[in-house]
Parts: sequence; C-alpha cells; structure tokens
Amino acid sequence: SAVISQKPSRDICQRGTSLTIQCQVDSQVTMMFWYRQQPGQSLTLIATANQGSEATYESGFVIDKFPISRPNLTFSTLTVSNMSPEDSSIYLCSVDPGQGAPGILNTEAFFGQGTRLTVV
Amino acid sequence: DAKTTQPPSMDCAEGRAANLPCNHSTISGNEYVYWYRQIHSQGPQYIIHGLKNNETNEMASLIITEDRKSSTLILPHATLRDTAVYYCIVPIRGAQKLVFGQGTRLTINP
Repeated sequence: SAVISQKPSRDICQRGTSLTIQCQVDSQVTMMFWYRQQPGQSLTLIATANQGSEATYESGFVIDKFPISRPNLTFSTLTVSNMSPEDSSIYLCSVDPGQGAPGILNTEAFFGQGTRLTVV
Repeated sequence: DAKTTQPPSMDCAEGRAANLPCNHSTISGNEYVYWYRQIHSQGPQYIIHGLKNNETNEMASLIITEDRKSSTLILPHATLRDTAVYYCIVPIRGAQKLVFGQGTRLTINP
C-alpha cells in the first residue's frame, strides 16, 4: 500500500493568482497522476507526472495552465495557474505503486484525500 | 479506455447484497476490470479487479461473464458505510492510467 499526503487540504484563492499543490508518498512509486473533480462530477485525469521528464497531459489540459513537477519517486506538485472561478474543484493526486507485466496495469492505485480549491 | 456502462444510481437495503452491474462489451483479451468507490468527500478507494476468473476479497466479489463483456460487483452484506459512487474501469492496455466514467451512485437504506 501507499500513504499519500496532499497539501493544502483546502484553499480559497483570488482569481488571477496561482496555487501549488504538493503530493508526498511514503514510498517510491512508479506512476503518479493528477486528477480534477469538479462539483458533482466524476474524476477527470489531468496528467501523468513523469519522474525526470515533462508530464504527459490529457486532452484539454496544457502545461501552461497546469505545470507539474516530479523531482523524485516520492513527490510531485501541481500548479493551477492564473486561476478563475471555473478552476474551483477538488484536485487529487494518485499513485500506482508498481507495475504488472509490461503494458498491463494490474495493481491498485491509491488516492490522496484531495485539495479543495475555491477561486473567488 | 474500453467504454463501460453503469446505471447512474441504485438503492439497496442494509444487510442485503448489493449487486452493481457494468457493461464493457469492447473489452480486449488482456484488459482488466477494476472497481473503485468514492465515499463522499474522500478520495477514491480501490475495491477489486479481475481478468477472467471471479475474484473475492474482504470487501467484495467480482463476477465476470464468460465472454467478459460484463461484470457484477457484489457487496454481500451492505452497510450504511457502503453508500458511495462505484466506478467500473477498464484501462486501455499499455496506458497504465485510470479514466473514470460517471459511475453508479449506490445508496444503502436502513
């Protein structure tokens, strides 16, 4: 298993500012992911945080808006830049501790408790 | 991800078995079926996963049809704490990421 610590747990921010969310894992993990969950909606994958290289973004998400760092195998940050009220969401970090056979995801993922962001 | 279809909501009486269906008719031969749940205000929690055979753990059982086009998650004795949104996910082989659909909102009634 993996224990994930996300900071901050919640924040209220002014529009136009940026917020950096931290995700710390208690063990080295292969894969780290960032999700967004808008009010009343399901989770949407933002990007895969790659250790030592640029993150891989999903359609509709760009690096300028959501820069991601992953300096090592236990830590990642997501920045929400130039925020607007539409960015008000819960942002979640997720990790997959290991890998199954190449190309096959067969281990369970773990999620942090999320960062509840309100932009005013 | 292979498209999954789940009913948007279900109700179940406390103490009874909750059976949550999922259709994944486009699943490929080596793609697994995963189930997660999200209790209100918490991050998603892994429940179970399977490939071909039925699986059981301390939380639930997973029944996968022989043609693998559908599956059922069974919570054998549902409690009020099982009220949550349940997600059936079939990750694309090689993608190694989870893409969530809308899930089934399960309400356990006293």
